[in-house]
Amino acid sequence: DTAVSQTPKYLVTQMGNDKSIKCEQNLGHDTMYWYKQDSKKFLKIMFSYNNKELIINETVPNRFSPKSPDKAHLNLHINSLELGDSAVYFCASSPGIRANTEAFFGQGTRLTVV
Amino acid sequence: AQKITQTQPGMFVQEKEAVTLDCTYDTSDPSYGLFWYKQPSSGEMIFLIYQGSYDQQNATEGRYSLNFQKARKSANLVISASQLGDSAMYFCAMRGPNDYKLSFGAGTTVTVRA
Repeated sequence: DTAVSQTPKYLVTQMGNDKSIKCEQNLGHDTMYWYKQDSKKFLKIMFSYNNKELIINETVPNRFSPKSPDKAHLNLHINSLELGDSAVYFCASSPGIRANTEAFFGQGTRLTVV
Repeated sequence: AQKITQTQPGMFVQEKEAVTLDCTYDTSDPSYGLFWYKQPSSGEMIFLIYQGSYDQQNATEGRYSLNFQKARKSANLVISASQLGDSAMYFCAMRGPNDYKLSFGAGTTVTVRA
């Protein structure tokens, strides 16, 4: 029933580990996103995908690698985790990219690197 | 490049009163969309209201209304008859035409007092 779902909701891991966050949307949208919300609550775009194709990579370190196996899924893999990667990561989707198109967000994944 | 500015980091409002959250934006595109999202303490991002740059009337959705002043490039959110459940962080966001992301302001925290 959930429109945009991401798992896990919480992720605690040690520095240097590799982790993945999964995202699925059942809205039939063509466009999916990853946003990072830092400790000051600022939301910043990381990646945008359209029909499985990477469109935006907003100067994100190479340790972050998104993968879109199909239109409904956009996963985020992070290698060699660092303390500074601790944040809330939001997946979102939208039915297109017109100016009047809102984004639908998942519930967020709180990543804590210790 | 688009820029969204929310200058009020935090606001207090008495229950049942109205509160106005400021948002100014900067863009060179004639066509754009403005959005407001609510983020309660539980963390999810909830879409509240949308205003298009060509809309002649201010948008309204229940107790939410948008005071859109195009010449001043402002899109202030008005919450009428505040309720305790309105306590949350509120984000103003913007999308240009064919823009593969929503750009967000820094957010305003609203605390409703009983």
